Amino acid sequence: KQEVTQIPAALSVPEGENLVLNCSFTDSAIYNLQWFRQDPGKGLTSLLLIQSSQREQTSGRLNASLDKSSGRSTLYIAASQPGDSATYLCAVYPSSGSARQLTFGSGTQLTVLP
Amino acid sequence: EAQVTQNPRYLITVTGKKLTVTCSQNMNHEYMSWYRQDPGLGLRQIYYSMNVEVTDKGDVPEGYKVSRKEKRNFPLILESPSPNQTSLYFCASSRDQATRRNEKLFFGSGTQLSVL
Repeated sequence: KQEVTQIPAALSVPEGENLVLNCSFTDSAIYNLQWFRQDPGKGLTSLLLIQSSQREQTSGRLNASLDKSSGRSTLYIAASQPGDSATYLCAVYPSSGSARQLTFGSGTQLTVLP
Repeated sequence: EAQVTQNPRYLITVTGKKLTVTCSQNMNHEYMSWYRQDPGLGLRQIYYSMNVEVTDKGDVPEGYKVSRKEKRNFPLILESPSPNQTSLYFCASSRDQATRRNEKLFFGSGTQLSVL
């Protein structure tokens, strides 16, 4: 069964720093990997989706990479801002089997200090 | 505005009293899904639906029912709620996951349920 792990569970950085959030998964048979942002009391917003054939995706100050063979993905946030404070979750979609569902990690709670 | 709408936002109920959480999307999405989010356990899928009249169990379906009579609506039904179903619930939707799996998932704002 697929397991998705995000370490650390919480991270606090000063404004302006570049930072990396980590996501690892146990089964490399994935179709894609998504990174989400969750603000307190709100739903999840999809940030980036990387297909299994891709190595990275970029959106503004965000860059997500995928190394399927090693079961790892990173989300790089450049020049962090207090508005980036949120919980970031990664999720993988299987490429095999009948399941049509994402498996989520527990998230990394990011705090960017002004 | 494209969105997934859940109601209610907050719900407090007592053990055994049937309840329904509604979910509606206005994006003509085929795929809809329900998740619950618990501290330390992350998001776990309850049920999902690939299209109208097609539903399937996720990881934690016990104690829940769903129906998909119309494309836009996917209600979550708790026939006899119990305290262990106290959780934050999310509905989500996306375009066809059967043939176009590289589709982003859109989430509702969540329903915080407390079962006393």
